[in-house]
Amino acid sequence: QKEVEQDPGPLSVPEGAIVSLNCTYSNSAFQYFMWYRQYSRKGPELLMYTYSSGNKEDGRFTAQVDKSSKYISLFIRDSQPSDSATYLCASGGYNQGGKLIFGQGTELSVKP
Amino acid sequence: GAGVSQTPSNKVTEKGKYVELRCDPISGHTALYWYRQSLGQGPEFLIYFQGTGAADDSGLPNDRFFAVRPEGSVSTLKIQRTERGDSAVYLCASSLNQGRGNIQYFGAGTRLSVL
Repeated sequence: QKEVEQDPGPLSVPEGAIVSLNCTYSNSAFQYFMWYRQYSRKGPELLMYTYSSGNKEDGRFTAQVDKSSKYISLFIRDSQPSDSATYLCASGGYNQGGKLIFGQGTELSVKP
Repeated sequence: GAGVSQTPSNKVTEKGKYVELRCDPISGHTALYWYRQSLGQGPEFLIYFQGTGAADDSGLPNDRFFAVRPEGSVSTLKIQRTERGDSAVYLCASSLNQGRGNIQYFGAGTRLSVL
């Protein structure tokens, strides 16, 4: 079992839809959680990061962490065609050194 | 430049050859990471430097892989006797430190193809 599991999709939604992307993790030592967006042939770009359970909002993006169930979510409101990309969740812990453990990535397509 | 720079962007080599991949981190970032991303997968950790020393090399798949960061800035990932299975995108990231603010910023990667 991978330490971070993510449904690879692909996920296709119409423009304006609310998108929900999800990951689960198994390592209780994970203490911080990140979402990266990766366009084709580009490096991952940080979208959101959080250190605690609860919600964190930034514009159209909301990151949600539930440490009790080891569940991580990213919600995108009013999705746009420019949001079409692969979304990667990642986790790390202070006793993990500096490394991040990534999920497989979910490929999202927003259709105009 | 403002971001993490990786060169070359693409590298095609033959099985058995030696390759070097270069990473130039964001100025002032003390931590530097190498990851490998295979097609359709998320990045997998290879090695992490804090300053000049390798703090964690547990992700290096075997002794054909080696990385250095002699002056605490630029890093080179070296792969000896390349195999077709080494084909992947090699990503470099840097962060200001290794503590709570461990936000890693990634380069665009080097796409390695071993024929």
